[in-house]
Amino acid sequence: DGGITQSPKYLFRKEGQNVTLSCEQNLNHDAMYWYRQDPGQGLRLIYYSQIVNDFQKGDIAEGYSVSREKKESFPLTVTSAQKNPTAFYLCASSLTPGQVPYEQYFGPGTRLTVT
Amino acid sequence: QKEVEQNSGPLSVPEGAIASLNCTYSDRGSQSFFWYRQYSGKSPELIMSIYSNGDKEDGRFTAQLNKASQYVSLLIRDSQPSDSATYLCAVEASGGSYIPTFGRGTSLIVHP
Repeated sequence: DGGITQSPKYLFRKEGQNVTLSCEQNLNHDAMYWYRQDPGQGLRLIYYSQIVNDFQKGDIAEGYSVSREKKESFPLTVTSAQKNPTAFYLCASSLTPGQVPYEQYFGPGTRLTVT
Repeated sequence: QKEVEQNSGPLSVPEGAIASLNCTYSDRGSQSFFWYRQYSGKSPELIMSIYSNGDKEDGRFTAQLNKASQYVSLLIRDSQPSDSATYLCAVEASGGSYIPTFGRGTSLIVHP
């Protein structure tokens, strides 16, 4: 049963703590992405990776870090430098961008609350 | 900055009617376009993708693309209350990255 899993579903942290969000996919997709969604807002790209051991900053990368050591896994760390970390975080994957069909599929998301 | 514009709504239609959702985009070189449905508190779910001008139908859903006018739309026929959700338009970037830009979404309410 192929898909994308994210854990945990809900995460609560104190301000000043780093936190790592997990994303795993078994769709054999090359590309993986992290988005952030705030209430009433569209999806904003944080980081993306098109191949293992390589990743690129998106529009709002400040205060976040990622790694891509395995094709299946793309964890996101929200650092204490991120000023407003409370949000809904979505992980997605796709075939290599530029290949058709090129469609992103999303995991269930992690809702992070920092107080 | 590539832009994707959607009317935030809410768009309210009666059950059984046709719901028409619209999206305009600024990147003239974009080739791929996507519609996602997002229920409240859930992640986006891909409904349709469209790559060439014209209409593409899948069940009750029809995507329409007009590249000259930089306009893509989604029609939902025989709307059901279960269609009530936010619909996100995504447009692939041209110029090599192919990373899609998402609109803010249109909220659709189908009332019985």
